[in-house]
Amino acid sequence: QKEVEQDPGPLSVPEGAIVSLNCTYSNSAFQYFMWYRQYSRKGPELLMYTYSSGNKEDGRFTAQVDKSSKYISLFIRDSQPSDSATYLCAMTTDSWGKFQFGAGTQVVVTP
Amino acid sequence: DVKVTQSSRYLVKRTGEKVFLECVQDMDHENMFWYRQDPGLGLRLIYFSYDVKMKEKGDIPEGYSVSREKKERFSLILESASTNQTSMYLCATTPGGKGYTFGSGTRLTVV
Repeated sequence: QKEVEQDPGPLSVPEGAIVSLNCTYSNSAFQYFMWYRQYSRKGPELLMYTYSSGNKEDGRFTAQVDKSSKYISLFIRDSQPSDSATYLCAMTTDSWGKFQFGAGTQVVVTP
Repeated sequence: DVKVTQSSRYLVKRTGEKVFLECVQDMDHENMFWYRQDPGLGLRLIYFSYDVKMKEKGDIPEGYSVSREKKERFSLILESASTNQTSMYLCATTPGGKGYTFGSGTRLTVV
């Protein structure tokens, strides 16, 4: 069983809808949680970075961490076609350590 | 902004060739990583380095080696390329505490 599970999708939503993404994990020692966006044929770029449990908001993006359930989420409000990409979750036990990644969820936002 | 440069975007090599993938970062970060990315498997860590001349195996080091002679440069070496090493290779760096910055990736095809 993988340490980090993520539904690969694709997840197709109409423009303006809320995109909801999530990952589950098995290692209770994970403390740092990240979401990356990856466009086709590009490297991943960091979207959100959170420590421990709670919510973090940045513009249209909200990241949630529920350590008791070992579950993290990313919400994208007012989705745009430019949000069409693969979204990867990642997590680690300490800020200097190596990260474990989910397989990525492909999101398609249709005009 | 941190810049992570991978020397080649696309490479085609023959089975048995020795292959060098180069990665250079411009922000004096100690930590550098090599991942490979395959559909359905996500990102898997090959090797990482916390300092010059220091290296540690990741989750899938077999068939690979690395070199870090200077702080800014981290090279991945495929000693004898095989077709199952056809993949997208991503280099990343982090100062710690802020997630990774990735390069654009090298798509390697071994024929």
